[in-house]
Amino acid sequence: GAVVSQHPSWVICKSGTSVKIECRSLDFQATTMFWYRQFPKQSLMLMATSNEGSKATYEQGVEKDKFLINHASLTLSTLTVTSAHPEDSSFYICSARDQGLSNQPQHFGDGTRLSIL
Amino acid sequence: LAKTTQPISMDSYEGQEVNITCSHNNIATNDYITWYQQFPSQGPRFIIQGYKTKVTNEVASLFIPADRKSSTLSLPRVSLSDTAVYYCLVTDSWGKFQFGAGTQVVVTP
Repeated sequence: GAVVSQHPSWVICKSGTSVKIECRSLDFQATTMFWYRQFPKQSLMLMATSNEGSKATYEQGVEKDKFLINHASLTLSTLTVTSAHPEDSSFYICSARDQGLSNQPQHFGDGTRLSIL
Repeated sequence: LAKTTQPISMDSYEGQEVNITCSHNNIATNDYITWYQQFPSQGPRFIIQGYKTKVTNEVASLFIPADRKSSTLSLPRVSLSDTAVYYCLVTDSWGKFQFGAGTQVVVTP
C-alpha cells in the first residue's frame, strides 16, 4: 500500500532556530503534497499545498516566508519553519496521493512534533 | 468544498458495533467520501472510501444512501484499540478536501 514517510518524528529546538521537516512518498509519485498543522484536541488545519516544480499554494493566514515549502521531486516535499518561536510549536503532518491513479485517497505521514523552547 | 458534520463523540463497549453518521449536504456529483482514523500523535490512517451504495473492507463498512447527503461508517465488534478520532472527508475531483471536527470514539471494557 501507499506509504508516506515523515522525518523527523520529534524535534525540540531553541527559539530562533530554523527546522526542516521532510515528507516522502515511498512507493508512489506525488505531484502534489499537503502540509497540515494540528493543535492539541483540534482537527487538522491545511497550511499549504506543495506542488512539484512550482511554488506552493498557501492557505489564508499562513505566512509563506515563515513556512517555506520546497517540492523538489515527485517523492519529496520539505517544510522549513524559519526562525521558529514557541507559538510555532505544534504537530505538523503531510499527506500525498498517488497521482497515477484516479480517486485515490490521501495517505498521511506520521507527523512531526515540534517543540520550540 | 463540501463541509461535513459529525457527532463530536461516541461511547461504546467492546464487542459492539459502532456506527458514525456524517452529513455532507452539499456534496457534488463527482465528489467521493473517505473516512480516516487518527490516534494521538499520529497521522490519520485511511479506513475506507466510497462513492455510493455500500463498500466493505476488512475493517469497516461504508453505507451511502442514494442522495449521498450523508454516509455511515460502521465498525463491527470494536475493541479498546479502536478508541480514536474518526474523520469523514468529502474529496472533490481535484483531490481537495477539508477536515471537519471528527468524532472521538471511546471504547470501554
